This record gives sequence, structure tokens and C-alpha cells, in this order.
Amino acid sequence: NAGVTQTPKFQVLKTGQSMTLQCAQDMNHEYMSWYRQDPGMGLRLIHYSVGAGITDQGEVPNGYNVSRSTTEDFPLRLLSAAPSQTSVYFCASKTWGEQYFGPGTRLTVT
Amino acid sequence: KNQVEQSPQSLIILEGKNCTLQCNYTVSPFSNLRWYKQDTGRGPVSLTIMTFSENTKSNGRYTATLDADTKQSSLHITASQLSDSASYICVVSDLLDGGSQGNLIFGKGTKLSVKP
Repeated sequence: NAGVTQTPKFQVLKTGQSMTLQCAQDMNHEYMSWYRQDPGMGLRLIHYSVGAGITDQGEVPNGYNVSRSTTEDFPLRLLSAAPSQTSVYFCASKTWGEQYFGPGTRLTVT
Repeated sequence: KNQVEQSPQSLIILEGKNCTLQCNYTVSPFSNLRWYKQDTGRGPVSLTIMTFSENTKSNGRYTATLDADTKQSSLHITASQLSDSASYICVVSDLLDGGSQGNLIFGKGTKLSVKP
């Protein structure tokens, strides 16, 4: 099993550009989520999904969209990047009692 | 408000020494408490998960304790190694995991540096 994979690993965007952070898992987990991690702060939940076709907002959803067309994939879209979205983004999938994180995407918005 | 506080923020120890990291929480209702290890540039990796009825759990040189009455947990690392240098994150869930949902409240982490 590859576990949770994320692409790209690094990305630099200009303000106003759009992009999609990819996330995939091969463990057949229903629950997937996106977090952002900023210096001096704990991980904060952006969006989550409890299964294909179902998504919901987390603590900091503004500026981000998600969709869940398959169990395996959970992409995160930035429609118009802002410097405040400079962060490290982690995708995670969860089964009963255990959560698995991807390796992260480091995004810089200039 | 549900919160998880960790101390110290950072810690430097010599290789071979023991150390203890602290986690206090005000999460209610309580489901479980997890400790994660996050190496620089990597995603967090689970070390231990404890439910309300468990007061200690070990994973190799890592031993976590939980006092649900005082809402405190600690992570003890024995005979530290250079590879233990990482951030250690305490996470508390406030919902039952049966539905695989659960709200996870993350602490800010303790950054541990092990020096030779």
C-alpha cells in the first residue's frame, strides 16, 4: 500500500492564480480530510469528506473548494490564491481509531 | 472552548537521556487522545492512541500516560536517540470514532532536539 499520497510536494503561486492539490489513498478509507499547518499553530481542518459525493467544511474553509467523486481521491482547489494561503497542506484519511497523513505540500503564494 | 495545550514548546536533550512531554486538554466529551511524531518536512505519524479507560500505552521507547480525571497526558521517551528529533503533537478527539468522523483538536506540538 502506498498509503496517502500528495502532489506536488512544493508549489509557488502568484496572487490570484488557481491550482489543485492532489490527494489519493489506497486504503479504501471513507473519511478523508485536508489540513493546513502554519508556524506556531496546530493543524487546522479545512474540509473533510465522509464518503464519495459528500463533503463538508472544517475550521478554515474560506478560499478552498473540494470534491469527492471517488473513494480514493480528494483534491483541494485554490480558486484565487492569496498570500495568507502560504502554508503546508496535509491530506489525511481515517479509519476507525487511526488517521494517516500524507507527506504534505508546501505552498508559497507571492 | 475545546483546547489542547502542550508543554514545553521546545526541548533540547542529550542523546541517551530520558524526557517527558506534557499535554493538557479541555475537550469535552472526550473520546480518545493520540500522540503523533512529525519529522521535519514529513506528515505526522501516529505513536499511540488511548481511550478513556486506558491510562498507559507503550510503543517501543515511547510511553504515553493518560489521566482522564485531571485531563492530562504525558509522553515519556526513554534512552533518546538522534532520530527522536521531531515535533510531537497531542491530539484529542471529542466524538466517538465509530462513525469514522470525530472532531480532532490538535495541540501546537513540542519540538524536541536530541543532541549527540
